[in-house]
Amino acid sequence: QKEVEQNSGPLSVPEGAIASLNCTYSDRVSQSFFWYRQYSGKSPELIMSIYSNGDKEDGRFTAQLNKASQYVSLLIRDSQPSDSATYLCAVNQGAQKLVFGQGTRLTINP
Amino acid sequence: ETGVTQSPTHLIKTRGQQVTLRCSSQSGHNTVSWYQQALGQGPQFIFQYYREEENGRGNFPPRFSGLQFPNYSSELNVNALELDDSALYLCASSFGDNEQFFGPGTRLTVL
Repeated sequence: QKEVEQNSGPLSVPEGAIASLNCTYSDRVSQSFFWYRQYSGKSPELIMSIYSNGDKEDGRFTAQLNKASQYVSLLIRDSQPSDSATYLCAVNQGAQKLVFGQGTRLTINP
Repeated sequence: ETGVTQSPTHLIKTRGQQVTLRCSSQSGHNTVSWYQQALGQGPQFIFQYYREEENGRGNFPPRFSGLQFPNYSSELNVNALELDDSALYLCASSFGDNEQFFGPGTRLTVL
C-alpha cells in the first residue's frame, strides 16, 4: 500500500463546474496536509494547507480533512481552464518529510 | 520578498560523473529540503537541512549528499551518476516545520 494515494486521472471537468480531487494516506499520526498545483514543466506551487478536521476555504478552493478516515480532498469551484494542471497531495509524516501522492491530472474543458 | 531560486536550470551529465545543484532559500526561511521528481511521479524526499545539519533523510543512497551554509542556502551533490538519476530536482524552503515552498527546479539528464 502506498503511503499517499491519488487517482492519477486524467480528470476532465467542464468550465464552471466543481472539480473534486481526492487523496488517502496510510500513516495515522500525520498532522499536516497540503495541496500543490503543478503546471507541466514547472515546479509545485502550494495552494492549500490543512491541519484540523473539517473544511478550510480559500477563494475558489476548499480543502477537506477527515483524519478518522485518513482522507483529504480538494474542491475547486467555478473551474477555469487555467486550473488545468496536476494536483499533488502531500502529507507531513514527521521530521519535516513531505510524502507526495503521484498527482491527479486535471483538465478543465471550455 | 525573494523566492526560492535554484541553479542551474538544466544540466546534462554522463554516467559516473558527479554533479552539484544549488539552492537559495526564500527570505526569512531557515530550512531547506530536497526532492527528486521522476517524470509522471510525485516528488520524493531526499533530505532536509536545518541549522547546517542534516535533519531527516529519505530512502536515497549515500552518494546523495548535501550541505547547508550559514546564509541557509544549500547544495545537493550526487556522485557516480546513474541513468535513473535523471529527474527534476526540487529544493523547498520553509521556516522550521512550516509550509514548504518550492524553487523552479533543476532538470538533470544523465546519458
